[in-house]
Amino acid sequence: QQQVKQSPQSLIVQKGGISIINCAYENTAFDYFPWYQQFPGKGPALLIAIRPDVSEKKEGRFTISFNKSAKQFSLHIMDSQPGDSATYFCAASTSNTGKLIFGQGTTLQVKP
Amino acid sequence: DVKVTQSSRYLVKRTGEKVFLECVQDMDHENMFWYRQDPGLGLRLIYFSYDVKMKEKGDIPEGYSVSREKKERFSLILESASTNQTSMYLCASSLAIIYYEQYFGPGTRLTVT
Repeated sequence: QQQVKQSPQSLIVQKGGISIINCAYENTAFDYFPWYQQFPGKGPALLIAIRPDVSEKKEGRFTISFNKSAKQFSLHIMDSQPGDSATYFCAASTSNTGKLIFGQGTTLQVKP
Repeated sequence: DVKVTQSSRYLVKRTGEKVFLECVQDMDHENMFWYRQDPGLGLRLIYFSYDVKMKEKGDIPEGYSVSREKKERFSLILESASTNQTSMYLCASSLAIIYYEQYFGPGTRLTVT
């Protein structure tokens, strides 16, 4: 049972374009939603995270949009660059357990 | 910078062998985690530990055990490796369980033949 569903599985974007990755969750008790970025040969690293008391969080070119009623959140990468090419994982956790539940991952390729 | 190191980048073992994967973190973090990463399935939590000698089952603990004798070291043990345990294994640590960043090691690619 996949509690966090991520789409698309892969994404190709031209340099300068907007990359959008979507996640949907089922457990309304989730209250922390991080995104992790993984480059080939490396472990994932925290990119940006949001709590459900806000609908949007922006850090540089990366923005999380959060829709609590729809139980969906998304990552937007503005002005996508070839250096953004990586695998992106959304995740969710509750304050009860703190355990992160990860989405399936999205492989992003930004073409020059 | 937090450093999480894993003992091997690549490992090839035979079915039935006992396998040890070692993880060390250098930031005095209380919490350590073992995940496996498979294409199309994301990262799945195997076990985690919130203190020395303490452990909790994650979502897929079957076929695995763990050991944490020292705060900085967390070992994953495959008692009798099977081919369906061929995967990428990732170790992580964090200062606290809730809302805190998890720092990942580079992973161990285990192949069981």
